[in-house]
Amino acid sequence: GAVVSQHPSWVICKSGTSVKIECRSLDFQATTMFWYRQFPKQSLMLMATSNEGSKATYEQGVEKDKFLINHASLTLSTLTVTSAHPEDSSFYICSANPDRANYNEQFFGPGTRLTVL
Amino acid sequence: GQSLEQPSEVTAVEGAIVQINCTYQTSGFYGLSWYQQHDGGAPTFLSYNALDGLEETGRFSSFLSRSDSYGYLLLQELQMKDSASYFCAVRDQRGYGNKLVFGAGTILRVKS
Repeated sequence: GAVVSQHPSWVICKSGTSVKIECRSLDFQATTMFWYRQFPKQSLMLMATSNEGSKATYEQGVEKDKFLINHASLTLSTLTVTSAHPEDSSFYICSANPDRANYNEQFFGPGTRLTVL
Repeated sequence: GQSLEQPSEVTAVEGAIVQINCTYQTSGFYGLSWYQQHDGGAPTFLSYNALDGLEETGRFSSFLSRSDSYGYLLLQELQMKDSASYFCAVRDQRGYGNKLVFGAGTILRVKS
């Protein structure tokens, strides 16, 4: 159990366009989901915490108007990269915890590789 | 805030034992986790320590010393498939739904 999916797995877009990435918890509910960005050979950098029914919480230095997050239901969060530029090219990964206390493991989606030309 | 330090790379041979260390600085401590990530893949959970001592799960063990703000991941009987990046991470707060802060990662190369 506890599977997280992401769609698409990879996307190539032109500079200036917007790209939406979906993160779904397939067999559990998640009030909270997390979005990370990972550059090659680097660590996972938390971008924002997605909260169902309320606004996302962004980490310092992450532009909320550029990275729009919508947590539409207890199983779906979306990240939209608006007006994408080549420097936004990266591996975007979401994660979630099942909604029950003392759950120590986070479950990660397979990631979305974004390439902006 | 939180910060974690771990070695950038470790190389070992098949069948050997390797230890990956992690030291952390946190404003509050709610557990140390370890994740494995193969190239291009998703991080997968390996272990979690909230209390001092050793947790063993098959070939992998994890140790925590809260007084030293230190932990390690021990991999025994190394296999080629263990070549991956290993991240230690601390939780931001107690309970579910709370964010993780990751270390920079240790690339483990297993040689035959």
